[in-house]
Amino acid sequence: SAVISQKPSRDICQRGTSLTIQCQVDSQVTMMFWYRQQPGQSLTLIATANQGSEATYESGFVIDKFPISRPNLTFSTLTVSNMSPEDSSIYLCSVGARLAINTQYFGPGTRLTVL
Amino acid sequence: TQLLEQSPQFLSIQEGENLTVYCNSSSVFSSLQWYRQEPGEGPVLLVTVVTGGEVKKLKRLTFQFGDARKDSSLHITAAQPGDTGLYLCAGHHGSSNTGKLIFGQGTTLQVKP
Repeated sequence: SAVISQKPSRDICQRGTSLTIQCQVDSQVTMMFWYRQQPGQSLTLIATANQGSEATYESGFVIDKFPISRPNLTFSTLTVSNMSPEDSSIYLCSVGARLAINTQYFGPGTRLTVL
Repeated sequence: TQLLEQSPQFLSIQEGENLTVYCNSSSVFSSLQWYRQEPGEGPVLLVTVVTGGEVKKLKRLTFQFGDARKDSSLHITAAQPGDTGLYLCAGHHGSSNTGKLIFGQGTTLQVKP
């Protein structure tokens, strides 16, 4: 399995500001994903981070609000822009397993609180 | 919309009891995974099942994939406080090569000593 780290692990931000979350993997992976999770609830997929091209967003998520970068096969960032208290959540990155794309491994998450 | 219905949503039991969590869909999945998540951490993969009727065991945990690959169950024998956490099932549809998973709503398990 891949080792995935996220920075920051948590942050408290003011309304109207932006936060960029980093996801680093210890090996090259094809698939990287970003999720949002309310505490105690399930995961909602925000987008698939594509290396060398624009991310693929799920219904209800747009690039202006959640710009994503994927400069190489081991790194991605998710920015939460113009934040409001409704953006308070846990943000998780995941990667598809190299030999089994149907299997995903998750980072530890970033807990975001917007005041 | 392809959904995974997970039940129960909440379960609070005493140490030593057995329990079963269910994951059901009207759609066929090419594979299904179970994750456990503890507070402050990301989900950790427990098992992947790919064959209809498949049964996998992980110590006191038994996972089963339905014959038609539309449902799955997780059975825990003699639950311990360390089993406490959020259990998530997630499925992948064979027609998709996007690697995307569909997640159930999750089951929050509390095992009291």
